[in-house]
This record gives sequence, structure tokens and C-alpha cells, in this order.
Amino acid sequence: GDSVTQMEGPVTLSEEAFLTINCTYTATGYPSLFWYVQYPGEGLQLLLKATKADDKGSNKGFEATYRKETTSFHLEKGSVQVSDSAVYFCSVSYQAGTALIFGKGTTLSVSS
Amino acid sequence: KAGVTQTPRYLIKTRGQQVTLSCSPISGHRSVSWYQQTPGQGLQFLFEYFSETQRNKGNFPGRFSGRQFSNSRSEMNVSTLELGDSALYLCASSLGGALLGETQYFGPGTRLLVL
Repeated sequence: GDSVTQMEGPVTLSEEAFLTINCTYTATGYPSLFWYVQYPGEGLQLLLKATKADDKGSNKGFEATYRKETTSFHLEKGSVQVSDSAVYFCSVSYQAGTALIFGKGTTLSVSS
Repeated sequence: KAGVTQTPRYLIKTRGQQVTLSCSPISGHRSVSWYQQTPGQGLQFLFEYFSETQRNKGNFPGRFSGRQFSNSRSEMNVSTLELGDSALYLCASSLGGALLGETQYFGPGTRLLVL
């Protein structure tokens, strides 16, 4: 069945370091891909998305490119900040596109 | 525009009881989805309602049910609670669902603790 695999955390970085969180998926058809972020005590917020192959989603300095040939959607940021500390979830739309399947989440901790 | 609201935010119940959680979507949104978040299983899709009809359902037992009202507000019910039902229950709304990359907006969640 459809699934999402993302790198295990926690990821601990110093401020201004480069961030990569890997995400790969298995899905039939042409799913849409998302990255959501969850700050402590809050619900999920959409960070970025891509709806077709080779699309690049970007927001707040984060980027991810929809790679259909490698079924990947890796999240990157050139220079992380302490305020980026959160849990990041990769997700894929499935079941005729009306629901999301999520990866296990990657906890990012950034220190100054 | 007001965001997705969920009530109550916290709930403590005992095994065998039942519970009802409520979700008010963003105005104009007709799709409401429910997810369960636990440390062990992560985020799992429960079901989705669109225009008062359940359009999609995840792999959860029949003790989990839901409904949607004509104003798009949704309720989720869990009967005969088990310890393993302790979780954060998240509601998400969108205009039409996750179709074609549509953004789903999540509420803050209801944290349920079953003792």
C-alpha cells in the first residue's frame, strides 16, 4: 500500500547550519506531496507542497522538489534558525486524494 | 478568517466510556478529516466527511465513528474506550479534500487520555 518513509530523528543542528530531511514515498498514480510542521503543543501547519513531478515547493527558506523518478521529496533549508525547532512531517495524498498519509515525523532541534 | 477549532482541548475518560469530539472547520470549507496521533503509530487517517457524507475511511474499528452537519461542523465519537485510544485527535478542513494538492488546515487537536 501507499506509504511514506522519512529519516529518523532527532536532528540536532547549530544555528545557520544546512538542513536536509529525507523523504521517500510509495504511491500509485500521481499523488500530491506535502511537508507539514508541528510546533510544541500545536496542530500541524502546511510548510510547502508540490502537486506534480519536478515542482518545487518553497516557504520560509525551506524547499523541496517532487522527484518522481526517485519517489522522493527531500526537505532542505540553507540556514536554520532556533525558531525552526519543531517536528516535520512528510505526507502524500492517497485514497483518491481525499486523505493524507504521513511519515513518522522528524524532530529538529536547533541551538544557538 | 477564523481557523479550525476543536473542542474540548483536553479530555480524561475511563475505559469503557464513550467520548464525542467536535470540530468546526474554516468558513466555506466542506471537507473535514480526522486523524489520530500517537507516539507509536504516528499520524493515522480516521475518516473524511464531505457535504455530510463519509467519503473515505481509514483502518480503524467500528468503535470510531463520525458525522458532519449541514454547517460542515463535524463530530467524532469513540465508544467503549480502550487505553490505546489515548492520543491527540486532529481535525483538518479544506474546500474539497486533499485532491489535487489542496491544502488541509489543521486544528490544535483534542488530547484524550483514557485511564
